[in-house]
Amino acid sequence: DAKTTQPPSMDCAEGRAANLPCNHSTISGNEYVYWYRQIHSQGPQYIIHGLKNNETNEMASLIITEDRKSSTLILPHATLRDTAVYYCIVRAVNFGKGTSLLVTP
Amino acid sequence: GAVVSQHPSRVICKSGTSVKIECRSLDFQATTMFWYRQFPKQSLMLMATSNEGSKATYEQGVEKDKFLINHASLTLSTLTVTSAHPEDSSFYICSATRQGAKNIQYFGAGTRLSVL
Repeated sequence: DAKTTQPPSMDCAEGRAANLPCNHSTISGNEYVYWYRQIHSQGPQYIIHGLKNNETNEMASLIITEDRKSSTLILPHATLRDTAVYYCIVRAVNFGKGTSLLVTP
Repeated sequence: GAVVSQHPSRVICKSGTSVKIECRSLDFQATTMFWYRQFPKQSLMLMATSNEGSKATYEQGVEKDKFLINHASLTLSTLTVTSAHPEDSSFYICSATRQGAKNIQYFGAGTRLSVL
């Protein structure tokens, strides 16, 4: 299974864009990139997924590089409620350690 | 849509007893359901994958006789922790995928198990 690498933690000011990077250099051509987040003591929540094109939904935008070896999740206007651990996974169901995002007032 | 209900949300039991956790897909038929365990400040660890009507596939190191999984219908999977011990105390989370949804996982809210 393709592995992902994410920074362990990031800070973001409320109202600013949060850009969360993920490296998945061993991704295969038909593997999707999925992003989930987990707020403390809750089940994870699906955010967005993509294959090769950039994607946007009501929660976030996903930018995938042309070589598909990395991607960035963008929360355009972060709020305090976006404080969570964000997981980037590739096809498989095994979650890495994710990025702990702290949104500050 | 795509709501997964997990019950109970919290359970406290004595050592040696068995605990059953239910995972239901409320508004869709789940092609596959997954069971995870999460220890404090750690990531989710996949325990097993289950499909309706067939035996669950357990990850390496997970005792199938201790963690019994039953997937009796397309909307219900259960995890039974048999003869629970304090080291089984953890946060157990289920998820489900639905047909045509590109393997997106929809998660339950989790069950906090505390074994005394």
